[in-house]
Amino acid sequence: LAKTTQPISMDSYEGQEVNITCSHNNIATNDYITWYQQFPSQGPRFIIQGYKTKVTNEVASLFIPADRKSSTLSLPRVSLSDTAVYYCLVGGLGGYQKVTFGTGTKLQVIP
Amino acid sequence: DAGVTQSPTHLIKTRGQQVTLRCSPKSGHDTVSWYQQALGQGPQFIFQYYEEEERQRGNFPDRFSGHQFPNYSSELNVNALLLGDSALYLCASSSPGIEQPQHFGDGTRLSIL
Repeated sequence: LAKTTQPISMDSYEGQEVNITCSHNNIATNDYITWYQQFPSQGPRFIIQGYKTKVTNEVASLFIPADRKSSTLSLPRVSLSDTAVYYCLVGGLGGYQKVTFGTGTKLQVIP
Repeated sequence: DAGVTQSPTHLIKTRGQQVTLRCSPKSGHDTVSWYQQALGQGPQFIFQYYEEEERQRGNFPDRFSGHQFPNYSSELNVNALLLGDSALYLCASSSPGIEQPQHFGDGTRLSIL
């Protein structure tokens, strides 16, 4: 299983764009990159998933360079409600994933 | 469309007791995984069930066991509870073979006294 490395914490002001980078040097050819958001006492919530290049949805963008050894989650114009822990995971497709979570990045949005 | 549901939401037990936690997967999902999340840590994979069989297992002792029913719901059983078993237990469901991530429930908070 590919191990991931993320910053332990980040602070950002409300309204700014936040970029959280994850390193995964040992990513396998068939691994996808998935990001989750978790609030205290709740389960992780899926944010975005990608394999290569760039993926965008209504809440975030995911940038993956050609070598796929890292990825960057971009949150546009964060609000106080985006204060949470963000996890980067790498693994195989859906139901066959033996998912390994790291310690995540604790994002604190400041008014 | 109901997501992943877990019961109970909170539970208090004493050392040595046994506990059963329950999970109903998201509609259309047939694979269930269980995770343990200690305070301040990321979730740790316990095991995964598919077609009523344990398919993968993390580094947990055999005090942790599970079951999956024909309707895809699942139970997590923990025997001989230890203080260190206090954690948030999360269930996640998914569908194999398609490009979909796991969906998580909000967990059961287990406290051991």
